[in-house]
Amino acid sequence: DTGVSQDPRHKITKRGQNVTFRCDPISEHNRLYWYRQTLGQGPEFLTYFQNEAQLEKSRLLSDRFSAERPKGSFSTLEIQRTEQGDSAMYLCASSLKGRQETQYFGPGTRLLVL
Amino acid sequence: AQKITQTQPGMFVQEKEAVTLDCTYDTSDPSYGLFWYKQPSSGEMIFLIYQGSYDQQNATEGRYSLNFQKARKSANLVISASQLGDSAMYFCAMRTKAAGNKLTFGGGTRVLVKP
Repeated sequence: DTGVSQDPRHKITKRGQNVTFRCDPISEHNRLYWYRQTLGQGPEFLTYFQNEAQLEKSRLLSDRFSAERPKGSFSTLEIQRTEQGDSAMYLCASSLKGRQETQYFGPGTRLLVL
Repeated sequence: AQKITQTQPGMFVQEKEAVTLDCTYDTSDPSYGLFWYKQPSSGEMIFLIYQGSYDQQNATEGRYSLNFQKARKSANLVISASQLGDSAMYFCAMRTKAAGNKLTFGGGTRVLVKP
């Protein structure tokens, strides 16, 4: 049984560079979510997809952030012109639409912007 | 607006004892789900237990049980027979029908199990 996977697990970049993260959901799951977690806080919602459609975006998702899920399978999250405030853990989760729908999380990508 | 509050930033518990983690929530939506996740130092969020707002009985999953008091808007997690591997951050989260499918998380409680 393959869970949610994320790549890379860690990323160190310099301010102003672009970074891209990948998330592979559980294979039969049609919903995919991105969250951001800063140190000592709970995760905060960024965006979510149902199949390939991006259905909701948080106000936290500035113009420098873009997410895609081109074929309704894996998803990418790109941050352009990174800032030190972007340093955080980026968590991906997936779920299967249903009444007791549960989101299952990947291991996360830790981003450090120098 | 929906909100989750976890008032205990950290707790110590003796191995083999039970521990209760507090969670209160605020929503005007009658249809919602409550979740508890465990986050070890590795960072991955591990799903523990779910309680629906219309569920009549408190949820249980192995050593985890959820003490759901709807009128008080609380959903406390009870971990019985604590083990060293239970040392982690624990997050309470909520999903409401009105707010779509995203989870709103509390600030978390750090649990340290002492041998």
